[in-house]
Formats: sequence, structure tokens, C-alpha cells
Amino acid sequence: QVQLVQSGAEVKKPGASVKVSCKASGYTFTSYGISWVRQAPGQGLEWMGWISVYTGKTNYAQKFQGRVLMTTDTSTNTASMELRSLRSDDTAMYYCARENGGYDYWGQGTLVTVSS
Amino acid sequence: EIVLTQSPGTLSLSPGERATLSCRASQSIGSSFLAWYQQNPGQAPRLLIYGASSRATGIPDRFSGSGSGTDFTLTISRLEPEDFALYYCQQYDSSPPTFGQGTKVDIK
Repeated sequence: QVQLVQSGAEVKKPGASVKVSCKASGYTFTSYGISWVRQAPGQGLEWMGWISVYTGKTNYAQKFQGRVLMTTDTSTNTASMELRSLRSDDTAMYYCARENGGYDYWGQGTLVTVSS
Repeated sequence: EIVLTQSPGTLSLSPGERATLSCRASQSIGSSFLAWYQQNPGQAPRLLIYGASSRATGIPDRFSGSGSGTDFTLTISRLEPEDFALYYCQQYDSSPPTFGQGTKVDIK
């Protein structure tokens, strides 16, 4: 069965970086792109960007340009998202999701808390 | 970017009733690249509908999607207790993909 399993919760100080991983199983990893979506507490869903697992091509939301890096490792079927220069308003649940006509499978989410 | 506006913000209904959720786009969404998701508290979203009207794997047939262009609808024919949740629409026709602000379906 298809699964996306994310790394655990993180607590970071303002200005630091965080890297969230997303390990895929149950399907051919290179056949689908991965998007990252975040959700601030009590708020809606916000698309951060997308990576083609097959080519490594990325497309980032303008809001995160210069601050985000999405990568994949096909040897371990793992996608990663690094966000730099964290601010308090980056506190959110971060999700990876598989693209297949919408996002058909999601990770369980990784809570990133930014606090001094 | 395409702005999606969902209405109503909250829908208060009883089990067994019909729910009709609306999603309006600021510009036409080509090829009906519109999806609907359900989210329960503390859980990741779940894909219900893609391509405006195709049910995702394992989704009960009480969920249906319709619409094209700028106006889309998610209908739940008869609400079950597990259907009281938050619902989001999303367009994936043009970059950036965008989500509506959500409609909460709660128990009357």
C-alpha cells in the first residue's frame, strides 16, 4: 500500500533552518511528483512547491523563493524539504503529498514550531 | 494566481441531510483541474474528488463533484456521522496550485 512517512516534530529558533523528510513506499517513487503543503495552526492549506522525482526539476511558490530547497533521493525513496531563515509565522504542520490528479496520498504531517 | 472562494464558510446540517458546497474560481479552470479534500481535526487532508467529478479510490458514492469553468460543487447526498469535517477545493490547472479557504460541515 502507498505510504508517505514523514520525520518527527521539530522545534527551532528564529533564523534557524529545518529539514523535513518524507519516505515513500508502495509505489514506483520516480513515477510521481511530490508537493509540499503547509498549514498554520487553525488556518488553511498553503502550497509551498513541487519537485519532479524523475528529473529533479522544482517549482517553488514565489513566497518561499530563495528560502526553500526541495530534493529527492531515489536510492532511499525519500523527498526532503529544507526551509531556511525561519520566522515565528513559519510555525505550521508541513505535509508532503503525491501528485496524481490532485494529491492522492499525504504524509502524516510534521509539526515545525519556531520559537525563541 | 487563481483565487478560490468557498461558500458557505460553515454548513450546519443533520445526519442524513444533503450537503452542497460551492467553490468559485477567479478565472476559468481549464480541463476541470479541480479537486476536493476532506480534513478531520489532527489529520492530513484526504482526496475525495479530482478532475472536478471523478471520485478518488475508496471514496463512497454519496460524494459527487460537478461544475466547470469557474463554478464547482461538492455534494454529499446523505451525511454520515464521519462526514462532519472541513472541506477544501483546490485548482491544479495553473501554477501556483491554490486552495480555497475551506467549508466546515458541522452537526446541527
